[in-house]
Amino acid sequence: EAGVVQSPRYKIIEKKQPVAFWCNPISGHNTLYWYLQNLGQGPELLIRYENEEAVDDSQLPKDRFSAERLKGVDSTLKIQPAELGDSAVYLCASSLGAGITDTQYFGPGTRLTVL
Amino acid sequence: AQSVTQLGSHVSVSEGALVLLRCNYSSSVPPYLFWYVQYPNQGLQLLLKYTSAATLVKGINGFEAEFKKSETSFHLTKPSAHMSDAAEYFCAVTAGGGNNRLAFGKGNQVVVIP
Repeated sequence: EAGVVQSPRYKIIEKKQPVAFWCNPISGHNTLYWYLQNLGQGPELLIRYENEEAVDDSQLPKDRFSAERLKGVDSTLKIQPAELGDSAVYLCASSLGAGITDTQYFGPGTRLTVL
Repeated sequence: AQSVTQLGSHVSVSEGALVLLRCNYSSSVPPYLFWYVQYPNQGLQLLLKYTSAATLVKGINGFEAEFKKSETSFHLTKPSAHMSDAAEYFCAVTAGGGNNRLAFGKGNQVVVIP
C-alpha cells in the first residue's frame, strides 16, 4: 500500500515569490492534514480537511497561506508571497476518519528554504 | 488546551542500554497520548498510543509507554537500545471527541553510541 506522497521534497525560493506544495493521501482516507514543522520543533497543525471541507483552519495564516482539496483527494498548500520565516518542513498526513482510533499517517514532507 | 513537554532535545544512549524518553502532558480533559518516531528524510511513524484502555501500552520495535495520571506522564522506554533506534521521537496529545488535532512536543533526538 502506497503511503502519503508529497512533492516536491525540497524547494528553494526567494522571498516574495509564490510556492505550492502537493499532497496525495493514502487511498480511501477521508481526512487530510497539513502541518508545519520548524527546525527543532514538533509539527503544528495548519489545516484539517474532512473530504473537501476545511473543518479546522484556525492555525492557518490566511493573509498569505491558502489550501484546497478538490474532489476530496489530493490537496495543495500555497504560500504567496513567501517570507524568510516560512522556511520549514511542511508535512501532509491522512487518516481514515477524524476519530481517536484513526491513526494519522505522515508523508516525508517538503523542506522549504526562503532566501 | 492540551500540551506536552519533552525535556532534553538530544538523548545519548549506549547500544544495549535502556532507552527512556520523558513526556509530561497538560490537559483539562482525559487525554489521548501518542509517541511518533521520525527517521531521517522520512515522515512520522506511529510507535504507540494510549486511548484510555490499558495504562501500559506496547508498541512497535520493542517500545512501550506507561500512562500515569498522578504524574501526568507518558514516558517511553525500550529495555535495550539498538543502532536502528537512532531517530527523533515526538510525544503528542489530543482531546479526542471528534477533534483529532495533535499537539506535539519539541521532540528528542536519540543518538545510539556503539
